[in-house]
Amino acid sequence: EAGVAQSPRYKIIEKRQSVAFWCNPISGHATLYWYQQILGQGPKLLIQFQNNGVVDDSQLPKDRFSAERLKGVDSTLKIQPAKLEDSAVYLCASSQLGTGGSEAFFGQGTRLTVV
Amino acid sequence: AQSVAQPEDQVNVAEGNPLTVKCTYSVSGNPYLFWYVQYPNRGLQFLLKYITGDNLVKGSYGFEAEFNKSQTSFHLKKPSALVSDSALYFCAVRDDGYSTLTFGKGTMLLVSP
Repeated sequence: EAGVAQSPRYKIIEKRQSVAFWCNPISGHATLYWYQQILGQGPKLLIQFQNNGVVDDSQLPKDRFSAERLKGVDSTLKIQPAKLEDSAVYLCASSQLGTGGSEAFFGQGTRLTVV
Repeated sequence: AQSVAQPEDQVNVAEGNPLTVKCTYSVSGNPYLFWYVQYPNRGLQFLLKYITGDNLVKGSYGFEAEFNKSQTSFHLKKPSALVSDSALYFCAVRDDGYSTLTFGKGTMLLVSP
């Protein structure tokens, strides 16, 4: 079974530029998550989708971050414009369900550096 | 709101000795608890989970975790540590009335030869 795919693996941009990350979840997984992991911290949920609907985006900085899940499968996360503090690893994960004991499976992440 | 605390930034243990990585949680309903491991430049890998039933849960690579409801804890354990166990470990919780998976800040485990 293929895992969660993310691209690119690394990205370096200047502040105020825009960037987009792509995620392809495990086939059949209804729930998709985007987490931000700043160095030395645990992953922080940015947005959670159930199929193509948003379940939780309470911690998504909506003035600069946006995300969509196309047809309930692939997802893109965009930052525009980027700030220095957005430097982090962006992790995509998926699970069969978004509740109970359904564990999430993670991709390798995209390391973003904003200079 | 749900939360997870990992009180130790780092745990040091000698190879062959038992290890424990601590985790406590706070939820309003019944907890679903998870442990993940992260190696350098990699995503998080699922180790084990507690849903219900037996308080001692066994997972991958010889790890196990003990659920203690009265102490709201879910400590990760392994009887005999390996150098290859050195990594960053994350505890996570999901409240049965809330679907978000919340992570702790992580504990670095260093196993010395």
